[in-house]
Amino acid sequence: QKEVEQNSGPLSVPEGAIASLNCTYSDRGSQSFFWYRQYSGKSPELIMFIYSNGDKEDGRFTAQLNKASQYVSLLIRDSQPSDSATYLCAVERNQGGKLIFGQGTELSVKP
Amino acid sequence: DTGVSQNPRHKITKRGQNVTFRCDPISEHNRLYWYRQTLGQGPEFLTYFQNEAQLEKSRLLSDRFSAERPKGSFSTLEIQRTEQGDSAMYLCASSFAGRATDTQYFGPGTRLTVL
Repeated sequence: QKEVEQNSGPLSVPEGAIASLNCTYSDRGSQSFFWYRQYSGKSPELIMFIYSNGDKEDGRFTAQLNKASQYVSLLIRDSQPSDSATYLCAVERNQGGKLIFGQGTELSVKP
Repeated sequence: DTGVSQNPRHKITKRGQNVTFRCDPISEHNRLYWYRQTLGQGPEFLTYFQNEAQLEKSRLLSDRFSAERPKGSFSTLEIQRTEQGDSAMYLCASSFAGRATDTQYFGPGTRLTVL
């Protein structure tokens, strides 16, 4: 079992819809959770992080964390074609130190 | 631009040659990380420094790989006797330890192709 798992996709949604990206992790001691966006050929770009159970909203993005279920998700409201990218979930076990990444979910937003 | 910078952006080398990459972190950041990413996969951790101290190395980092951060500022990653399997994007990230959440920001990466 991989430490961090994501569906590789591609996930296809129409423009204006809500895109839902999911991630599960295996280490219950994990403390912080990050979502990065990566355009083809580019480096990862931080979208947001979450470390408390519940929801955290930032503009069109909402991260959701459920530590009991070891599940993190990212919702993108009013999806735009420019949101088409690979979304990487990353987990940090200890404060500071390495991130463990999932393989990423490819999102395609169709006009 | 005060983000993380990496040089070179692209490197093509022949198998058996040595290569060195450089990373300059965000100026106030005291932690610096190296990751490797291959096509279709998420980044894999290689090593990280806090100031000049190398605090953790992945088992992925064979004897052919060495990283330094001599003055706690920029870092170099050297690969000796490159192999075709070393072809990947090498990513550097930096962060500031001491905040509630240690958020890592990535540089543009160095794409290595070993022929």
